[in-house]
Amino acid sequence: QSALTQPASVSGSPGQSITISCTGTSSDIGGYNYVSWYQQHPGQAPKLMIYDVSNRPSGVPERFSASKSGNTASLTISGLQAEDEADYYCSSYTSSNTRIFGGGTKLTVL
Amino acid sequence: QVQLVESGGGVVQPGRSLRLSCVASGFTFNTHGMHWVRQAPGKGLEWVAAISYDGSDKYCADSVKDRFSISRDNSKNTLYLQMNGLRAEDTALYYCAKDRSTPAIESWGQGTLVTVSS
Repeated sequence: QSALTQPASVSGSPGQSITISCTGTSSDIGGYNYVSWYQQHPGQAPKLMIYDVSNRPSGVPERFSASKSGNTASLTISGLQAEDEADYYCSSYTSSNTRIFGGGTKLTVL
Repeated sequence: QVQLVESGGGVVQPGRSLRLSCVASGFTFNTHGMHWVRQAPGKGLEWVAAISYDGSDKYCADSVKDRFSISRDNSKNTLYLQMNGLRAEDTALYYCAKDRSTPAIESWGQGTLVTVSS
């Protein structure tokens, strides 16, 4: 199964908002409300930022929000901060009871 | 707090085998599904395998099916990944990870590096 499709890179200035898209199929994103998003800084393990499409774990800033429409999920970061610069990955549960990740998006804060 | 500590990585020749281990603490291990996820150098995350809380259900990515197998010992709070017939493309940092109550990986170890090279 091919990876979910994410843009390779996005950028924004401090204080601005950015959105990262994640496109799959009806066998993954479109079929289940089990999309999650991860942040990964260089040399570190990934960190869960969003689960079940739009829920934030305790400790994740409200600036991070997410949604889903059809086969596409989106992560929005409002009020960009320098510390948000990282790689972001989406992931979905699939009809085969497996998981699939997106290719990753590098966020640059200008 | 949740701790996942992987071990067993190293340099191995193509075609050989390796077994990774992950010792879990800080949560009730036998009530959570577990995963292995890998990341090749400079590349993205790739889901490898998952196992249900009691070990009765196991799933593997097509890329490793018939070569890798996942298992767990709930009496030892330990997750395993048996890797056979290793290939150069299996070179990666292998993460042990814990599921939430819903299908989302919520905790990650720091990873163990596997390098397949002659």
